[in-house]
Amino acid sequence: DGGITQSPKYLFRKEGQNVTLSCEQNLNHDAMYWYRQDPGQGLRLIYYSQIVNDFQKGDIAEGYSVSREKKESFPLTVTSAQKNPTAFYLCASSVTSGNNEQFFGPGTRLTVL
Amino acid sequence: AQSVTQLGSHVSVSEGALVLLRCNYSSSVPPYLFWYVQYPNQGLQLLLKYTTGATLVKGINGFEAEFKKSETSFHLTKPSAHMSDAAEYFCAVSWVGGGADGLTFGKGTHLIIQP
Repeated sequence: DGGITQSPKYLFRKEGQNVTLSCEQNLNHDAMYWYRQDPGQGLRLIYYSQIVNDFQKGDIAEGYSVSREKKESFPLTVTSAQKNPTAFYLCASSVTSGNNEQFFGPGTRLTVL
Repeated sequence: AQSVTQLGSHVSVSEGALVLLRCNYSSSVPPYLFWYVQYPNQGLQLLLKYTTGATLVKGINGFEAEFKKSETSFHLTKPSAHMSDAAEYFCAVSWVGGGADGLTFGKGTHLIIQP
């Protein structure tokens, strides 16, 4: 079945450690996105990628980094520079960037202790 | 700049009653409009979308929405609420020739179903 997978579902890290969240899609989509979700704040865009080997900052990119070496994969690293990393992180993809429907993964809940 | 506003962070209805979740958008060009649903600790699932054509759009689980250009609205309705409809609902907007950063999401409305 085609879809988006995120792993792990739950992740615990100590303060000051970098952590990488995985996002893989087998939908053959060109565009991929990372969102952060906090209670009452909706979805906020962290980074997006229109095509392999290219990505752009979203609204809240500080303290995060990404790579897009393969079409299928768009990992997100939460660095120690992110002041408040505890949140629910959602990965999404779409056929192309812009006005297309986005398909979402199941999310990763990151808790920094 | 384009934006989307969802009126009411929480909406409570009785089981069997009408569900109405409000969404208004701001766009200077024709919009593309979406409603997503999110169950606890899960990703978002598309309920329905409007791009062009018929302004009344039917989606999954008995939901529908009507695009009203004059009111810049895209409210989500369901005639009879079911307990399984309890979830978070997000309205999203994009537009013709929209930016590469994709959809702009509202802050969400938490739907509570009273037995």
